[in-house]
Amino acid sequence: DSGVTQTPKHLITATGQRVTLRCSPRSGDLSVYWYQQSLDQGLQFLIQYYNGEERAKGNILERFSAQQFPDLHSELNLSSLELGDSALYFCASSYRGLNTEAFFGQGTRLTVV
Amino acid sequence: ELKVEQNPLFLSMQEGKNYTIYCNYSTTSDRLYWYRQDPGKSLESLFVLLSNGAVKQEGRLMASLDTKARLSTLHITAAVHDLSATYFCAVGLIYALNFGKGTSLLVTP
Repeated sequence: DSGVTQTPKHLITATGQRVTLRCSPRSGDLSVYWYQQSLDQGLQFLIQYYNGEERAKGNILERFSAQQFPDLHSELNLSSLELGDSALYFCASSYRGLNTEAFFGQGTRLTVV
Repeated sequence: ELKVEQNPLFLSMQEGKNYTIYCNYSTTSDRLYWYRQDPGKSLESLFVLLSNGAVKQEGRLMASLDTKARLSTLHITAAVHDLSATYFCAVGLIYALNFGKGTSLLVTP
């Protein structure tokens, strides 16, 4: 158990809908990262937050957004869902930035039907 | 744009054999990470390499980093079935971890 908690574990929803994925980082970790894993794209970096502030953006679609709250948990919002958004979404956390180890949660498997 | 290339992408090896997975990257970085992923599971951190010449070993796995060559290797010694998994290298650049496509390793009797 990495100490990073993601909910829900599985999510099935219809095209056009909006969902929210939640991540609680390890105790004491300030950085949260979101990744999307799919068979064709591999592991894609979406976005990173550090202590409540957005630090870096990767290949995140405009339909997706995220935030990190004062208690350091983070949410990833996915809207106007398309079939191609079906993937495993991982959250990772680290104490600071990338000079410290990043630990991954169990992931949320999103299926868009 | 940072490119991270792993090879091979698929590897089937017999128990007891040795093999090396290679990770090449295109931009200067001195932060290299190796992760293991079992099917449908999360990524487990194996090694964190933060300087040129860094070498770390854990059990039958040994990782090294050559920042001048932009190359990291993951060496498997005397493979056992429990090592069957997908192995990813990831390069740290600014604030993001950039992953390779992964090497699917199958260890057979």
